[in-house]
Amino acid sequence: AQKVTQAQTEISVVEKEDVTLDCVYETRDTTYYLFWYKQPPSGELVFLIRRNSFDEQNEISGRYSWNFQKSTSSFNFTITASQVVDSAVYFCALLNTNAGKSTFGDGTTLTVKP
Amino acid sequence: GAGVSQSPSNKVTEKGKDVELRCDPISGHTALYWYRQSLGQGLEFLIYFQGNSAPDKSGLPSDRFSAERTGGSVSTLTIQRTQQEDSAVYLCASSLEGSTEAFFGQGTRLTVV
Repeated sequence: AQKVTQAQTEISVVEKEDVTLDCVYETRDTTYYLFWYKQPPSGELVFLIRRNSFDEQNEISGRYSWNFQKSTSSFNFTITASQVVDSAVYFCALLNTNAGKSTFGDGTTLTVKP
Repeated sequence: GAGVSQSPSNKVTEKGKDVELRCDPISGHTALYWYRQSLGQGLEFLIYFQGNSAPDKSGLPSDRFSAERTGGSVSTLTIQRTQQEDSAVYLCASSLEGSTEAFFGQGTRLTVV
């Protein structure tokens, strides 16, 4: 069975603060993909990043960075110098490459105050 | 189209009625997924279509739920005899064959009263 845990239900920060969203996963598969999605108030999920289980290299994209550690089964997401527009629900997801469905965490609601 | 399109965007129905939710995937995407998102919760997988293969229905919560995908394109999710616990946002996503990147629609918010 697969499971994705996002322990932080809600986070509130002030603009320009850095914030890290935690994601811990469980799977018996050796090959899998991990994702982060952003869901703004409009409701549509926006793809942010995909990592495969063989690539533990951390990635930085602008103010976003991701830290993938297989040893702790974690795939944490950091937003540097947060902005009000970053306010959204963020979902971490795990995809088994032998199946089409992804397992999602319950999401972390991030509120960035001006 | 440019993105995944879902209709209606909002649906209010009376308990016991049947509803149909529609998803138009991105043109050329062979994989199509339905998820359900209840208030304040993550996404719950419902069903997955890939090309002409038999769909993976393992996520459908009861036999009141069914889905079809006609001509490998448009999909309809049908909920029969709706219950209040069916109230949720139903999200559809599509992807290219072999791709792990799914593109989501804006969802249908279903309210059963």
